[in-house]
Amino acid sequence: QSVLTQPPSASGTPGQRVTISCSGSSSNIGSNNVNWYQHLPGTAPKLLIYSSAYRLSGVPDRFSGSKSGTSASLAISGLQSEDEADYFCAAWDDSLNGYVFGTGTTVTVL
Amino acid sequence: QITLKESGPTLMKPTQTLTLTCTFSGFSFSTSGMSVNWVRQPPGKALEWLALIYWNEDQRYSPSLKSRLTIRKDPSKNQVVLTLDNLDHLDTATYFCTHGSPSLDAFDVWGPGTMVTVSS
Repeated sequence: QSVLTQPPSASGTPGQRVTISCSGSSSNIGSNNVNWYQHLPGTAPKLLIYSSAYRLSGVPDRFSGSKSGTSASLAISGLQSEDEADYFCAAWDDSLNGYVFGTGTTVTVL
Repeated sequence: QITLKESGPTLMKPTQTLTLTCTFSGFSFSTSGMSVNWVRQPPGKALEWLALIYWNEDQRYSPSLKSRLTIRKDPSKNQVVLTLDNLDHLDTATYFCTHGSPSLDAFDVWGPGTMVTVSS
């Protein structure tokens, strides 16, 4: 049911860089901002990145976001153990007239 | 400081109507552009956006659930209520309400969520 596609998993060792992709279409990512959320099971999701590339105040600068065309990416550089979580992208969809979320990516720190 | 908290039943039967309440503080419906959204997550699955209500009472719904959803606000109580008709076991999920920030164009604060199980 998710309109935005993400890889189901990503992993890295501490200190490595991990990149998560989010693929959409012209009606969502192609024409609107992308936001990224971090979700630890059993807790409330947290906003990390808004407007495709801006870190929410207090979010470590190892998290960065970018957008190009109908795709977006979240990068975690200097991976830390506390970064183990699920990550979701989201955007407004002009055709659906509502928000859409990505399929989610589970990040594992090896 | 913005806070939100969801409340409602934890166990429902198929065909029943679910009513969830989001009680918030730290903001009001007088803020132009703001919204309150409902998002759910079935066990082991992705987040799914359900509905929103704007400060001006404008509403939007997920097309796949539009016929079953109703969202309304009660400004006097700082609450937003979501109803979901004709429940099915596929509606089993954790339901979150979120604050939609007009300046960030994002869900900047989330409630802790409430788990709803639909089972006969």
